[in-house]
This record gives sequence, structure tokens and C-alpha cells, in this order.
Amino acid sequence: GDSVIQMQGQVTLSENDFLFINCTYSTTGYPTLFWYVQYSGEGPQLLLQVTTANNKGSSRGFEATYDKGTTSFHLQKTSVQEIDSAVYYCAMRSGGNYKPTFGKGTSLVVHP
Amino acid sequence: EAAVTQSPRSKVAVTGGKVTLSCHQTNNHDYMYWYRQDTGHGLRLIHYSYVADSTEKGDIPDGYKASRPSQENFSLILELASLSQTAVYFCASSDRDDTEVFFGKGTRLTVV
Repeated sequence: GDSVIQMQGQVTLSENDFLFINCTYSTTGYPTLFWYVQYSGEGPQLLLQVTTANNKGSSRGFEATYDKGTTSFHLQKTSVQEIDSAVYYCAMRSGGNYKPTFGKGTSLVVHP
Repeated sequence: EAAVTQSPRSKVAVTGGKVTLSCHQTNNHDYMYWYRQDTGHGLRLIHYSYVADSTEKGDIPDGYKASRPSQENFSLILELASLSQTAVYFCASSDRDDTEVFFGKGTRLTVV
């Protein structure tokens, strides 16, 4: 079945550091890839969608890149801020599969 | 704007008691989901539905039932609550199988 692997459970950075979170996926279908962000006390919300047409997506200073060859998609931000502290989930939807597949989440803590 | 409303937002239940978590969406979405969130496990799918009056088992359905009486409403039922079911529960909805998932704000359930 479909699967998404997100290895980094927690990342701790200082403000203005570079952020990189990687996910790999497995599916027999045609994937649509997403990154969600969850702030404390809230539900997850869409951060960005990676379009496999141009292999990229971007939002709020975050950028995601998709690599079909390695079936991976990663999230990056050049300079994180304290307000970026949150849990980040990679996710995949595969055509014909009603169930979205989420990674286990990466808790980002940014110190001022 | 898409909206998924969960009630209650928090609940304390007694072991062995019955618990019903409710979810209402105004998105006109066909797909609805119930997730459980625990530290270290991310989001795990309990039940889902792609049409009213029909529900499907997700990845961790044991100990839970679901009900979808209408397109807008989706309930999660714990017939005999157990300590291990203490968690945060999220309801979500989506349109097609390749689109964004919209989450509610979550219900914090504590079983004592």
C-alpha cells in the first residue's frame, strides 16, 4: 500500500538557520504531495502542495521540491523564525485511494 | 472558507463509558476522516467515509465505530472507553482524492 516516511522526529534550530526536512514516499498510483503545518492547539493546515508537473511548491517562505527518481520530496526554508515553531507533516494522496497518507511529523523548535 | 467543526473540544470520560465525538463540515465535501494524534505516532486514521450512510475502517479501527448520517456529519463512537484511548482526535474533510484535507481544531479526550 501507500506509505510516507518522515525520519526526523524533532529539529531544533536558531533563528535565521536553514531548515531541511525530507520525506520519501511509495505508491503504485500517481501521487499528489503536500506539506501541512500544525501550530500548538490547532489542527493541521495546508502549507503547500507540490505539483509534480513542475516539481516545486512554495508558500510563506517555504519551498518544497519533488524528485521522482528518488521518490522524495523535501521542505526547506532559508531562514527560519521563532514563529515557524510547529509540527510539519508531509502527506501524499494517490489517485483512486480515498485515504490520505501522512508522515509521522517533524517537531520544529526555533530558538530566538 | 472551508470549515470543519468538532464538538466537544475536550472531554473527560470514565473507563468503560461510552463517548461520542461529533464533527460537522460546511465544505460540501464527500470525504470525511477521523484521525488520532499521539506523540511519536503522528496522525493515524481510524475511520473514514466517502459517502453518507457508509463508513470504512482506517488503519487503527479497533475499539472505535463511526457513523455518517449525512454528508455534513460524521461521528466517532467509543462504546467502551479505555485508558489507551486518551489522545487528541481530529476530524477532517476533503473534496476529491487529490486535493487538500481540511482539519478541525481537535478534541482532547482523557479517559480516567
